[in-house]
Amino acid sequence: DGGITQSPKYLFRKEGQNVTLSCEQNLNHDAMYWYRQDPGQGLRLIYYSQIVNDFQKGDIAEGYSVSREKKESFPLTVTSAQKNPTAFYLCASSEAESSYEQYFGPGTRLTVT
Amino acid sequence: GQNIDQPTEMTATEGAIVQINCTYQTSGFNGLFWYQQHAGEAPTFLSYNVLDGLEEKGRFSSFLSRSKGYSYLLLKELQMKDSASYLCAVKGFQKLVFGTGTRLLVSP
Repeated sequence: DGGITQSPKYLFRKEGQNVTLSCEQNLNHDAMYWYRQDPGQGLRLIYYSQIVNDFQKGDIAEGYSVSREKKESFPLTVTSAQKNPTAFYLCASSEAESSYEQYFGPGTRLTVT
Repeated sequence: GQNIDQPTEMTATEGAIVQINCTYQTSGFNGLFWYQQHAGEAPTFLSYNVLDGLEEKGRFSSFLSRSKGYSYLLLKELQMKDSASYLCAVKGFQKLVFGTGTRLLVSP
């Protein structure tokens, strides 16, 4: 079955620690995205990548970093510089920049205390 | 700037029809999307409009007026499982911009 996987579903970390969220897709999609969702707010774009070894900042990139070394993988690191890291993180992919539909992974709920 | 407005919450009765509105002001327009999201789950694609008019897909329909910056999602024959958040999103030049979503509560 083709799809997007994110792991783990729930993640707990202490303040001051960096944490990396995994996102893998086997849809052969070129473009991948990371969003953050907070209660009462829409999805906000953190980073996106249209091709391997290239990525761009989204609207709220501060305190986050990404890499795109493989087409299938787009991990997101939440650094200690992110002031409010507790949120629901969603990864998505689409066939290409021009493609209109994004497919979402199941999400990772990160709690930092 | 970019701005997408949707009502925060709506309620409806099982079997009824509900219309969820979305107004937008964005720099660049390459289509408008509706996604359904159940609590704690990933959004799933419902519809896509790039030209003016109505797109029908089973119980769900979506309408777009580009000149008015307006769209709506119409849900017919509501079922309990339709209780979810409905996200309106506009595609600009390279990325999607999402509204805050409308939480729909369907009661028996």
